[in-house]
Amino acid sequence: DSGVTQTPKHLITATGQRVTLRCSPRSGDLSVYWYQQSLDQGLQFLIQYYNGEERAKGNILERFSAQQFPDLHSELNLSSLELGDSALYFCASSEQGGPQYFGPGTRLLVL
Amino acid sequence: AQSVTQLGSHVSVSEGALVLLRCNYSSSVPPYLFWYVQYPNQGLQLLLKYTSAATLVKGINGFEAEFKKSETSFHLTKPSAHMSDAAEYFCAVSGGSNDYKLSFGAGTTVTVRA
Repeated sequence: DSGVTQTPKHLITATGQRVTLRCSPRSGDLSVYWYQQSLDQGLQFLIQYYNGEERAKGNILERFSAQQFPDLHSELNLSSLELGDSALYFCASSEQGGPQYFGPGTRLLVL
Repeated sequence: AQSVTQLGSHVSVSEGALVLLRCNYSSSVPPYLFWYVQYPNQGLQLLLKYTSAATLVKGINGFEAEFKKSETSFHLTKPSAHMSDAAEYFCAVSGGSNDYKLSFGAGTTVTVRA
C-alpha cells in the first residue's frame, strides 16, 4: 500500500459526458502528479500540482483540467469524453524532489 | 528533455535464472532514474531510484540497477528469478532540480517459467 488513494476504482460512462477522478496523497506529500496509461500511448504525464499551485503540464488535453485543494487532495476533471479517453488514470504523490508513489488508479471506460 | 528506451517488450526467464531488463536514457541534464513494477490490475510500485549518489543502486525484492554514464544505461538485474517476479517493469527518468515529472519507457513484461 503506497498510501495514495484514488476513487473511484472503476468508471463507465458515455461519450460526451464529464467525470471527476479524485486523489488523496500520502500524508505530508505536497506534490501530486496525474498520469494516463493506455495501450497505444503507454504512461504519459498529464499535470503536476505542488501545494495547490500548478507546477508542470504535460500532454494534457484542453478538455481535461485538474486542481489541488487546501487539504492537498486533487481532482482530475475530464469533459466531452471520447472513446479514446478510455484508459487507466494514476495519481502519484511525493515530497518535493522525492520519488513518486502511485495510487491504484482509476480505470475509465468510455462507451 | 529526458526520455528512456527499454530494450525488449517481453522477457522470459526460468525460475532461479538471472533477470536482466535493459534501459537506456537520454537527458540534457544529470538524470534521476527509476524502476517501477506493475502487477496485473495494480498501480506502480517503486523498485529503486538513482539520484546521483552511488552508481549501484539496491532496491526491494532483491533487484538492483547500475547507472553507467558512459553507456547512458540503467539496467535492472536480479540474480535469481522467482515466480512472483512476473509483472511489467517500467524504467523512468526525470530531470530533477524542479523538473520532477516522469517520462516512462514502454515497459517490459517478465514471464517466469517453472
